[in-house]
Amino acid sequence: QSVLTQPPSASGTPGQRVTISCSGSSSNIGSKYVYWYQQLPGTAPKLLIYKNNQRPSGVPDRFSGSKSGTSASLAISGLRSEDEADYYCAAWDDSLSVVFGGGTKLTVL
Amino acid sequence: EVQLVESGGGLVQPGRSLRLSCAASGFTFTSYWMSWVRQAPGKGLEWVANIKQDGSEKYYVDSVKGRFTISRDNAKNSLYLQMNSLRAEDTAVYYCARASVLRFFGWFDPWGQGTLVTVSS
Repeated sequence: QSVLTQPPSASGTPGQRVTISCSGSSSNIGSKYVYWYQQLPGTAPKLLIYKNNQRPSGVPDRFSGSKSGTSASLAISGLRSEDEADYYCAAWDDSLSVVFGGGTKLTVL
Repeated sequence: EVQLVESGGGLVQPGRSLRLSCAASGFTFTSYWMSWVRQAPGKGLEWVANIKQDGSEKYYVDSVKGRFTISRDNAKNSLYLQMNSLRAEDTAVYYCARASVLRFFGWFDPWGQGTLVTVSS
């Protein structure tokens, strides 16, 4: 049972826009920055979004993050086959721990 | 190029100990918090521990407190995780990750390739 709640799966067709939600509480998302990670099959995770909505250099602008209250979202526009991966949200919690969402498996149909 | 290379994983019996290492290169190691994050087979990510640049602050997930110790050797650009009293539920791929310069916990970039720890009799 993860502290942050994500849907276990999401899907879309090439070119479509998909969003992945991440729900938390006032002790984490509600008062801290949210981070998003992409994990391609068989590889280590990669930072996708930091400080709620900032993209590291090299991350396409098709990926965007947002936060409202105790929830956050990752949006992927112009979906491509190479976006098929697991996506995780993360945040610091007042319990002095980093908490992750359970992960969302994105399938490109 | 920033690189993090973990080592030290393997098969260990329950109750025994193991020490993981992470060799860092391509950046100023002493400028960054460092972290360990693990992933059980087929499961999601779980943060394990953070350590401050000078080692003066450390944070752990509740499930490893009192059993695991994170440390670093800035002269060797290396991060360590001493794991004692290992349990079956500690079985996972353990990733070394560079955290942030400031206290932006949750920021991990980049990650190493991971080292597998299997706890089984």
